[in-house]
Amino acid sequence: GAGVSQTPSNKVTEKGKYVELRCDPISGHTALYWYRQSLGQGPEFLIYFQGTGAADDSGLPNDRFFAVRPEGSVSTLKIQRTERGDSAVYLCASSVQGTQTYNEQFFGPGTRLTVL
Amino acid sequence: AQSVTQLGSHVSVSEGALVLLRCNYSSSVPPYLFWYVQYPNQGLQLLLKYTTGATLVKGINGFEAEFKKSETSFHLTKPSAHMSDAAEYFCAVGAQAGTALIFGKGTTLSVSS
Repeated sequence: GAGVSQTPSNKVTEKGKYVELRCDPISGHTALYWYRQSLGQGPEFLIYFQGTGAADDSGLPNDRFFAVRPEGSVSTLKIQRTERGDSAVYLCASSVQGTQTYNEQFFGPGTRLTVL
Repeated sequence: AQSVTQLGSHVSVSEGALVLLRCNYSSSVPPYLFWYVQYPNQGLQLLLKYTTGATLVKGINGFEAEFKKSETSFHLTKPSAHMSDAAEYFCAVGAQAGTALIFGKGTTLSVSS
């Protein structure tokens, strides 16, 4: 079956522009996560959705970052007024939501964002 | 609060040699522990995980890890390295079901012939 997909795979933009990054999770996965991976670092948590609602957005660095998941499937990460420091690989992951055990998060290939 | 420390940003071994990648964690609650591997230009792939039960966990590609609560460690090992094992490896900790993972900074494994 299909895994987590992310589009675009690469995005180059200019400082100050607005960008949208898309994530298609595995069908049936109710939990969806966004992470950001800077060069030489491990992934850092941004936001977690359970269904349509953001269950935890404590990792969003500031109010320029926003994410939605209106129908509980596809999610879009939106970045306003991009800055050079936003350059990173943005990873999306999805999982079957469990309450008794920690279910595996399946990761997409990421979107490499470069802000010039 | 939780954190993960991976000792050694770069580990080099010869083909056929033992692989040991170190991971120490900090957690205020019983942790869920994971090792992920990332090949160039690919997404993260789960190698193995510890949730509860047996502390020695076996994963894919011949890797295993042992949860040692007294040492707050979850080191990854493989008896005999293959060239195909060359990749970036990340240790991660989760607090409870459904929460985000906290990752270490990663260890790059190089394998020479």
